[in-house]
Amino acid sequence: KNQVEQSPQSLIILEGKNCTLQCNYTVSPFSNLRWYKQDTGRGPVSLTIMTFSENTKSNGRYTATLDADTKQSSLHITASQLSDSASYICVVSLPGLIFGTGTRLQVFP
Amino acid sequence: DTAVSQTPKYLVTQMGNDKSIKCEQNLGHDTMYWYKQDSKKFLKIMFSYNNKELIINETVPNRFSPKSPDKAHLNLHINSLELGDSAVYFCASSQRDRVLFFGPGTRLTVL
Repeated sequence: KNQVEQSPQSLIILEGKNCTLQCNYTVSPFSNLRWYKQDTGRGPVSLTIMTFSENTKSNGRYTATLDADTKQSSLHITASQLSDSASYICVVSLPGLIFGTGTRLQVFP
Repeated sequence: DTAVSQTPKYLVTQMGNDKSIKCEQNLGHDTMYWYKQDSKKFLKIMFSYNNKELIINETVPNRFSPKSPDKAHLNLHINSLELGDSAVYFCASSQRDRVLFFGPGTRLTVL
């Protein structure tokens, strides 16, 4: 079983809609939790980074939350755009990085 | 200006060959990494290197070897390529344990 599990595996939404991606982890404690966006054919790009004591961090239309009690993080995307189509990867830093399996998001017009 | 660059972008080769992938970062970071992304899009760390310390993922075959001529470069050499080595390889860099900056990836296909 992976130490960082993401759900759903894939998601299709219409442009303009909101969506929430989930990340459940078993490792604890950790130094920070990160969300990356990976466009097809490109390397991952950092969206947010939260320390263990933070419970929310925003980057434009992306808002990440962290619940250390339930060991869950979520990434909420508001007013989705076609360019949001990508894979989103949750990463826990211990130190040493543990990558989640990713959620593939497709936004259709 | 590209922060982390890799060459080549695509590499097609036959089983048994030896190949190298180059990586350069111009961010002044002290740590560089190599990751392998398999067909299921799962990223696995292969190596991390920060000037003096090389950390190797023990699951990586010794046919893979990183070589760092200087702080800005970490090249990946692969000997005796196998079919299972086909994947996308990403170089990345960071300042200590901070945010990773990834290269564009190299898609390796072994025939």
